[in-house]
Amino acid sequence: KAGVTQTPRYLIKTRGQQVTLSCSPISGHRSVSWYQQTPGQGLQFLFEYFSETQRNKGNFPGRFSGRQFSNSRSEMNVSTLELGDSALYLCASSLALDGATNEKLFFGSGTQLSVL
Amino acid sequence: DAKTTQPTSMDCAEGRAANLPCNHSTISGNEYVYWYRQIHSQGPQYIIHGLKNNETNEMASLIITEDRKSSTLILPHATLRDTAVYYCIVRVPYQTGANNLFFGTGTRLTVIP
Repeated sequence: KAGVTQTPRYLIKTRGQQVTLSCSPISGHRSVSWYQQTPGQGLQFLFEYFSETQRNKGNFPGRFSGRQFSNSRSEMNVSTLELGDSALYLCASSLALDGATNEKLFFGSGTQLSVL
Repeated sequence: DAKTTQPTSMDCAEGRAANLPCNHSTISGNEYVYWYRQIHSQGPQYIIHGLKNNETNEMASLIITEDRKSSTLILPHATLRDTAVYYCIVRVPYQTGANNLFFGTGTRLTVIP
């Protein structure tokens, strides 16, 4: 079974530009979550999508957005990039069965975004 | 979800057991203890989880104290490839939209040859 796939692996942008990152979850997984990882703040939750709807959102500005398609694939968009947006962006998928006591997140390798 | 406290870093000799502690003194009765690890520049990887009984799988063992306020992850025979940051997380059973896990700073384990 293929793992979580994130593209691109590396990305370089300049301030003010926008960027779209892509995530393909494991087949059959219904939830896709996004995390930002920086050396200073560690791993921080951005948002979670389930059945094409954003179900939960972390404490990030509105410049960070996302969507999920009917095949569970997800995209994340950051508009008006700032230097501080430089980070590793990680996508994770899970089965997302309500009441599950063995819910596990499966992470992709991430997209390393550098904003110059 | 309750927060956890872990040592910032630990060293372990190759071939020896690595014992990584975690404190979760405010854990609730229905919260599970999960361990993930992250090898440099990769996404976190699930290791093991448990509620109150000790658990073992092909990667590690998880020992949870009787009062559930702390736990220890044991890698029985550490190898160089086990060098990583290890995260201890507590979470309730999944409810839609609740994968907002708090990873904290984790423990950086260095396996020494």
